[in-house]
Amino acid sequence: DQQVKQNSPSLSVQEGRISILNCDYTNSMFDYFLWYKKYPAEGPTFLISISSIKDKNEDGRFTVFLNKSAKHLSLHIVPSQPGDSAVYFCAATGTSYGKLTFGQGTILTVHP
Amino acid sequence: NAGVTQTPKFQVLKTGQSMTLQCAQDMNHEYMSWYRQDPGMGLRLIHYSVGAGITDQGEVPNGYNVSRSTTEDFPLRLLSAAPSQTSVYFCASSYSRGYTQYFGPGTRLTVL
Repeated sequence: DQQVKQNSPSLSVQEGRISILNCDYTNSMFDYFLWYKKYPAEGPTFLISISSIKDKNEDGRFTVFLNKSAKHLSLHIVPSQPGDSAVYFCAATGTSYGKLTFGQGTILTVHP
Repeated sequence: NAGVTQTPKFQVLKTGQSMTLQCAQDMNHEYMSWYRQDPGMGLRLIHYSVGAGITDQGEVPNGYNVSRSTTEDFPLRLLSAAPSQTSVYFCASSYSRGYTQYFGPGTRLTVL
């Protein structure tokens, strides 16, 4: 039972354009959502998060959108840079229990 | 701050051998957890701890033991290694349950 799904295993984007990574969840108890970026041979690093009381959160080039009714969130990267090439994981948790549930990851490749 | 540290970085075991993966954090975080990452599966929670002396099972606990005698350390023990435990293992910590988790660099384990 995959409670958090990233249906696109990979995404290829040209430098300077927008990258949109998508994530769907099924558990209504999730109320806090995070995106992590992972480079090869390194641990995941926290990128941006959003609470269920908001529908948008921005941090520089990164914006996360949450659509609670659709149980869908997305990460927008504008403009995309070659250094953004990595695996991106969506994760969800309930603040009452704290366990993170991860999606399968999306490999983003940004071409110069 | 060193953040979350893990040792060793790489390990090769034979089936049936035992070993301990070490994890330490210097951020005085209450919450610590262990994940394994397998291709196409994202990160799956093995065990977690909400404070010294308190541990609980995650999604895939079989074959692993944990203990939390101090706030800083959260070792993961493989009692009798099996090839199915070949994976990359990540330790993470956070201020409390439901807060953003920060990951160590990982241990790549191969069981022959």
